[in-house]
Amino acid sequence: GENVEQHPSTLSVQEGDSAVIKCTYSDSASNYFPWYKQELGKRPQLIIDIRSNVGEKKDQRIAVTLNKTAKHFSLHITETQPEDSAVYFCAGAGEGGKLIFGQGTELSVKP
Amino acid sequence: KAGVTQTPRYLIKTRGQQVTLSCSPISGHRSVSWYQQTPGQGLQFLFEYFSETQRNKGNFPGRFSGRQFSNSRSEMNVSTLELGDSALYLCASSFETANTGELFFGEGSRLTVL
Repeated sequence: GENVEQHPSTLSVQEGDSAVIKCTYSDSASNYFPWYKQELGKRPQLIIDIRSNVGEKKDQRIAVTLNKTAKHFSLHITETQPEDSAVYFCAGAGEGGKLIFGQGTELSVKP
Repeated sequence: KAGVTQTPRYLIKTRGQQVTLSCSPISGHRSVSWYQQTPGQGLQFLFEYFSETQRNKGNFPGRFSGRQFSNSRSEMNVSTLELGDSALYLCASSFETANTGELFFGEGSRLTVL
């Protein structure tokens, strides 16, 4: 079945630096890859997603890249700000399949 | 538009008991997914219901069950509770199936098993 591995589990960066979180998936039929942000004590919220017919997608300071051959995708946050501090979850799903989440990355942006 | 509502928000049970959690999705959403969240384990998929049918199931024992009603509200039940079932249970609704679009999460039901 589908499995999604996420790294690193914790990430600390200085304000203004970039942050990169990487995920790999096992099911080659996977075609939908969302990223969710969960602030402390809050519910997860979608920040960006990408489908398998696209290699890269950007939304302001956030970008996601997908390498279907290697079965991995990454979240890039540029010019990080303290409000970016949260737990980030990647996920993957295939046709008719389950949406499986990675283990999460706790990002800390130090002012 | 009201968001996803989960009840109860907090509950304490003892081993061996059973519990029922409720989730009211956003109006018009037909899919409800359930996830178990524990520190270090992330969001583990329990099941997804779409138009009253269980569409997918995760790798949890048969003690975990669920259902969806005609108004899309969903319930999940855990029988014979174990200490390891202590967790935050999140439900999420989506207009179409969970693998096609954005999930909207509820605030969760925090279950403590003593």
